[in-house]
Amino acid sequence: SQTIHQWPATLVQPVGSPLSLECTVEGTSNPNLYWYRQAAGRGLQLLFYSVGIGQISSEVPQNLSASRPQDRQFILSSKKLLLSDSGFYLCAWSEREKLFFGSGTQLSVL
Amino acid sequence: SQQGEEDPQALSIQEGENATMNCSYKTSINNLQWYRQNSGRGLVHLILIRSNEREKHSGRLRVTLDTSKKSSSLLITASRAADTASYFCATVGGSQGNLIFGKGTKLSVKP
Repeated sequence: SQTIHQWPATLVQPVGSPLSLECTVEGTSNPNLYWYRQAAGRGLQLLFYSVGIGQISSEVPQNLSASRPQDRQFILSSKKLLLSDSGFYLCAWSEREKLFFGSGTQLSVL
Repeated sequence: SQQGEEDPQALSIQEGENATMNCSYKTSINNLQWYRQNSGRGLVHLILIRSNEREKHSGRLRVTLDTSKKSSSLLITASRAADTASYFCATVGGSQGNLIFGKGTKLSVKP
């Protein structure tokens, strides 16, 4: 069966520091992968999605970037975090029109 | 751009009561999906209803779809305290046809 791993679960970072969040999927090959962000009490905002290695599409221009160095690995990065980058970050993969989410990373930028 | 909008934003009921949440969307759809999110966790897919379907059941969940009104409803019957969570509807939207979520309905079921 397929599983998705996302880490770390929580992260507290100072403004201006770099960021790297990692997501890996097991049990499937060539999945579509997604990064969503959820601000407190808000809905989900799609940040990036990828249909294959090295193929990244951005939905919203921002301070973040994404990379897919391997088929089942998706990384969210920033060179310098802003206060507004705080939020709950979710990685997901899709199969037959449905999304399957990781457990999320709560990022607090102070 | 936001496609789905849930209503109400928050709902508080007693255990055993039914909970109804609504979703309105803006453009034509192929399907509409409902997801559940426990506090501090990822979303879990509940049910998918296609545009040519009017009603779908899964256990204590019942979803209806009215494409003429561009709306859907999620009914949870005989609610339990464990149903306490946020519920989101999602439809395809955006520039590349990805799933777009509403802001959700926060359901609290009191024992």
